[in-house]
Amino acid sequence: DAKTTQPTSMDCAEGRAANLPCNHSTISGNEYVYWYRQIHSQGPQYIIHGLKNNETNEMASLIITEDRKSSTLILPHATLRDTAVYYCIVRPPVFLIQGAQKLVFGQGTRLTINP
Amino acid sequence: GAVVSQHPSWVICKSGTSVKIECRSLDFQATTMFWYRQFPKQSLMLMATSNEGSKATYEQGVEKDKFLINHASLTLSTLTVTSAHPEDSSFYICSARDQGAGRTDTQYFGPGTRLTVL
Repeated sequence: DAKTTQPTSMDCAEGRAANLPCNHSTISGNEYVYWYRQIHSQGPQYIIHGLKNNETNEMASLIITEDRKSSTLILPHATLRDTAVYYCIVRPPVFLIQGAQKLVFGQGTRLTINP
Repeated sequence: GAVVSQHPSWVICKSGTSVKIECRSLDFQATTMFWYRQFPKQSLMLMATSNEGSKATYEQGVEKDKFLINHASLTLSTLTVTSAHPEDSSFYICSARDQGAGRTDTQYFGPGTRLTVL
């Protein structure tokens, strides 16, 4: 599985856009990029995922570089409730490789939204 | 997104007793569920993959006789911590795989169960 590298921590002002980077330079062509976040003492929450194209949903936007070696999760208008640890995970499609359904969590980025 | 529940949300037990934790997918069927453990200030670590109707697959270093997993239906998986000891105190989190999300699959997580063994 491709490894990901994320900054240990980041700060962002409330109301501003929070941009969380993730490096996955060894990603394979069929591996997806998933983002989850974990608010203190809760289970991880799914945010978004993508393969090649940029993706947007009600929570966030995912920008994947053309070479797919890095991506950025964007929270457009951060609120205090967005304070959490954000995990970037790459994973091959399940139908392709047995055991690919596993999610391997790194240390993530601790995002703090400041008032 | 899909909803996964866990019960109980927290439990305190005496050393040597067994504790059962339930994980349910509320609005989708999940042939595969996963059990994770998280110690304070650490990331999630996968313990085992729970497959409906078959034996669970345990990660290296996880004692299968201590952490019993049963996945008897498409919406329920249980984790039983047998003969619990203080070192088993941790945050246990389950996830369920929503295959209806298409070939990309998406896992949804429960809220977690805080186990404290005295």
